[in-house]
Amino acid sequence: GAVVSQHPSWVICKSGTSVKIECRSLDFQATTMFWYRQFPKQSLMLMATSNEGSKATYEQGVEKDKFLINHASLTLSTLTVTSAHPEDSSFYICSGRGHPDKGSQYFGPGTRLTVL
Amino acid sequence: AQSVTQLGSHVSVSEGALVLLRCNYSSSVPPYLFWYVQYPNQGLQLLLKYTSAATLVKGINGFEAEFKKSETSFHLTKPSAHMSDAAEYFCAVSGSGATNKLIFGTGTLLAVQP
Repeated sequence: GAVVSQHPSWVICKSGTSVKIECRSLDFQATTMFWYRQFPKQSLMLMATSNEGSKATYEQGVEKDKFLINHASLTLSTLTVTSAHPEDSSFYICSGRGHPDKGSQYFGPGTRLTVL
Repeated sequence: AQSVTQLGSHVSVSEGALVLLRCNYSSSVPPYLFWYVQYPNQGLQLLLKYTSAATLVKGINGFEAEFKKSETSFHLTKPSAHMSDAAEYFCAVSGSGATNKLIFGTGTLLAVQP
């Protein structure tokens, strides 16, 4: 299957700082990338969908000014959590969909964010 | 609108026993259906997918699932559980369009007893 990487795998930051998470598709072109948030023992909550070169589409209730998403190339998307607060602590997972398998999403390993 | 319901948030089986994880879906369009597995502190790995071809889908690690339109089900099975199968399993549905989003179920935690 296709491979998606995320960096960093975990990050601890102070309240009020910004954190950037990178998501890369290593062996396929991700025309669409998705960002999810997962709380402990819960399912994945879709935060936003981005198509390469376009602005991201955010799900209802997700603050677009707080969670900045950039999808500048077919292999890279970034999520920046701006002015992070403890309630932003979570597991963030990205996934990509594109060529050649348009029907499946492939997920990254996730990034554990802890805001102190 | 689309949704999935996973019956049983926790399932426990003995090693060597049959694994059956249940998933029912609701979709106003022909669905694509997926099963993913998540190990602790890791992302999701695709086990198998149904995309309107064969109704019995075989996946990795000995898992398979059968699409039953009349029952709106897509249950995941494995004939003989292994200790390494212990993980969280998510069923998901999407439409067939390139812009369709995955809708996840709430997950089923599978425990395998020795």
